[in-house]
Amino acid sequence: GDSVTQMEGPVTLSEEAFLTINCTYTATGYPSLFWYVQYPGEGLQLLLKATKADDKGSNKGFEATYRKETTSFHLEKGSVQVSDSAVYFCALSEAGGTSYGKLTFGQGTILTVHP
Amino acid sequence: DTAVSQTPKYLVTQMGNDKSIKCEQNLGHDTMYWYKQDSKKFLKIMFSYNNKELIINETVPNRFSPKSPDKAHLNLHINSLELGDSAVYFCASSQATPVGGETQYFGPGTRLLVL
Repeated sequence: GDSVTQMEGPVTLSEEAFLTINCTYTATGYPSLFWYVQYPGEGLQLLLKATKADDKGSNKGFEATYRKETTSFHLEKGSVQVSDSAVYFCALSEAGGTSYGKLTFGQGTILTVHP
Repeated sequence: DTAVSQTPKYLVTQMGNDKSIKCEQNLGHDTMYWYKQDSKKFLKIMFSYNNKELIINETVPNRFSPKSPDKAHLNLHINSLELGDSAVYFCASSQATPVGGETQYFGPGTRLLVL
């Protein structure tokens, strides 16, 4: 079945540091890939997504590129802020069949950014 | 104007009780989902409905029964609550199609604590 593996957390950085959160996936078909973010006490919100190989998703300074050859979708940001402190989830959804957009999530990575 | 709303936000109850969580979306989406987030932040899909029809039913105890009176509402009823049911339950919606890649919009979550 489908699965998503994220780098172990938690991740602690100083403000303006470079961020990478690794994400790899296993899927039977051609999935769409997502990064969702969960701020403390809130629900999840979409950060960015990519629906086909070599697509790059970007939002709020975050980027991730859909790499089919390495089955990866690593999240990067050049300069993090304290307000980026949150839990980050990599996820995939398969097309077709009975998936109907079902999201399969990675285990989440807790990011804490210090001033 | 909340896109996906859940009630209640917090639910504390005793083992053996029956409880319901309600979800409503005003986005006009056809598909709604329930996810469970455990204490380690891991998220897993439970159910999905498309136009009031059940389309995804993961391996969930039959004490959990979703009900969709119309496509804007998806409620979750839990019978005979157990300690292991303590978690955060998220409702989500999307305009899902067999092609895939659509964004899911999440509610704020219902924090269930079973004592």
